[in-house]
This record gives sequence, structure tokens and C-alpha cells, in this order.
Amino acid sequence: RKEVEQDPGPFNVPEGATVAFNCTYSNSASQSFFWYRQDCRKEPKLLMSVYSSGNEDGRFTAQLNRASQYISLLIRDSKLSDSATYLCAVIPLSGYALNFGKGTSLLVTP
Amino acid sequence: EAQVTQNPRYLITVTGKKLTVTCSQNMNHEYMSWYRQDPGLGLRQIYYSMNVEVTDKGDVPEGYKVSRKEKRNFPLILESPSPNQTSLYFCASSLEGRTAYEQYFGPGTRLTVT
Repeated sequence: RKEVEQDPGPFNVPEGATVAFNCTYSNSASQSFFWYRQDCRKEPKLLMSVYSSGNEDGRFTAQLNRASQYISLLIRDSKLSDSATYLCAVIPLSGYALNFGKGTSLLVTP
Repeated sequence: EAQVTQNPRYLITVTGKKLTVTCSQNMNHEYMSWYRQDPGLGLRQIYYSMNVEVTDKGDVPEGYKVSRKEKRNFPLILESPSPNQTSLYFCASSLEGRTAYEQYFGPGTRLTVT
């Protein structure tokens, strides 16, 4: 079982819609969690860190559920510019590597 | 401007011809890392470095070498490239590796091995 798994999508949503992505991780000792955004053929960029208490930044909300071992990203009022691939990433307690999911593709349409 | 730079950005080479992809960061970061990204496989870590002269294998180190002689530079070396190393490569750095610090990625190097 891969350490970090995401639904690859694609998610096609109209402008203004609310969309949610989930990401599951297998290592219960994981300590740090992130969402990255990657535009086509570009480098990943940090969207937000995910804290135990959750994290909100404008239209974006990230949640962590340790009991069920998943993190989520909620995007409200989707914009055309939100179209991208969203990668979740996890650092396990025992290691220094940043383990990425394969990414979820989002396309926001007019 | 804080950044991670990689060179070259694009490279087409032939099997067996040694090559080096350079990576440099100007943020005084301790942690640096190399990833490759392939369709359907996502980002996979090749090697990482916690600090100068400290390197370790990631998930897919076979066929690659790295060195960290200076804090700012972390070159990726392919001694004898093969076609299965055709990929998009990213270098990244962060303040430290084992904390919730943002990883900054370079713009990527697209390598084709024929």
C-alpha cells in the first residue's frame, strides 16, 4: 500500500462551486502534513500546512483527521485560476523525506 | 530574491554519457532534496541532504549520485544515464528537513535520455 494516496480525479467543477479533496496516509506516526499546488509542468508550491486544529486561508480550508489518517482540502467559491493539480505531502516521524501523493487534478470551468 | 535554481532546464542526452544537473539555493537552507516526477507515479524522492557532507537515499536512488560540499549547492549526477531516467527532475530546499517548514522547489529539469 502506497504511503500517501489521493484520488487522481480529474475533478471538473463550475466556477463558484465548492470542492473537497481527501488524502490518506498509512504511517500513523506521520508528523507533518501539507498541501501543495502544481500548475502544468511547473514546480510544486506550498498551498498550506495542515495543523491538528485545522487551517484556513481565505477560500481554502485544510483539516487533519489523525484517527482516520487522512487530510482534506476544501476550496470554496472556486475560481478559474484554481485549476491545477493538488498534491498532499506527509513527513513521517521516523524520517526526513517528504512523501507526496500522486496529486488530484482540478479543472474549474466557466 | 529567495529562490532555488536548476541547470540545465532542458537536456537531451544519449545513454551512458555522464551528466550533472546543478541545484543552488540562496536561502541558507540546511535541507536539500532531489525528486523525479513521472506520469502516474507522482513525485518520488531520489536523495536528500540534511546539511553539508550529510546525504541519504530517498525512495529511488539507483543510478544517481549526489554531493553536498557547500550548503548552497546540491548537484545530481547521473554517471551512466539510461532511458528509464527520462523524467522531470526537481530540486527542493527547506530550512530543516524534519519540521513543518515549507519546501521551495526549483523550476525543474526535463531530461530525455535516448
